[in-house]
Amino acid sequence: NAGVTQTPKFRILKIGQSMTLQCAQDMNHNYMYWYRQDPGMGLKLIYYSVGAGITDKGEVPNGYNVSRSTTEDFPLRLELAAPSQTSVYFCAIGDRGEQYFGPGTRLTVT
Amino acid sequence: AQSVSQHNHHVILSEAASLELGCNYSYGGTVNLFWYVQYPGQHLQLLLKYFSGDPLVKGIKGFEAEFIKSKFSFNLRKPSVQWSDTAEYFCAVRSSGGSYIPTFGRGTSLIVHP
Repeated sequence: NAGVTQTPKFRILKIGQSMTLQCAQDMNHNYMYWYRQDPGMGLKLIYYSVGAGITDKGEVPNGYNVSRSTTEDFPLRLELAAPSQTSVYFCAIGDRGEQYFGPGTRLTVT
Repeated sequence: AQSVSQHNHHVILSEAASLELGCNYSYGGTVNLFWYVQYPGQHLQLLLKYFSGDPLVKGIKGFEAEFIKSKFSFNLRKPSVQWSDTAEYFCAVRSSGGSYIPTFGRGTSLIVHP
């Protein structure tokens, strides 16, 4: 039982490139979330999903897209990377406020 | 919309000192409250939670938190910190009758000197 897994762990992108951050869970949880964490700023919710086929915007969705075709997977897509998207990205699952986080992806856009 | 305030952004302590980290929230209804910890280079992990019942909640590694409804507070305490407690601590609040998504505070960075 791996819980929440994220790939890759690290990535460097050039401005304008695109990439997909992968998130997978094996806990059969309906609710999944993507956060970004910047130093001193806490966690900002990017997108979330309440089940397969259902996604919604969080606090900072601009520049990102998501899909949820299965319960297990919740990928986050960056289409045109910008330096402002340099951050650590965490995927999480859970409801009623209690969340379980993946190990994170550290993304640098130069 | 609810908000969460963590007034201490950086705390530096020596080992064996006592710790109290403040957390205040701005929602007037029934809430669920959480403290998460993030050790250097790692992801957030749940430290303790409050849903109902005894307002003094005990968590892992000797941490506890007290919910004081009249003060809208959920402060985290530990009587004697260790070097291994060096981490970032996040308070989170969710309105129990509303959205399942918690609101996180901005975090408190704790450094414990050996």
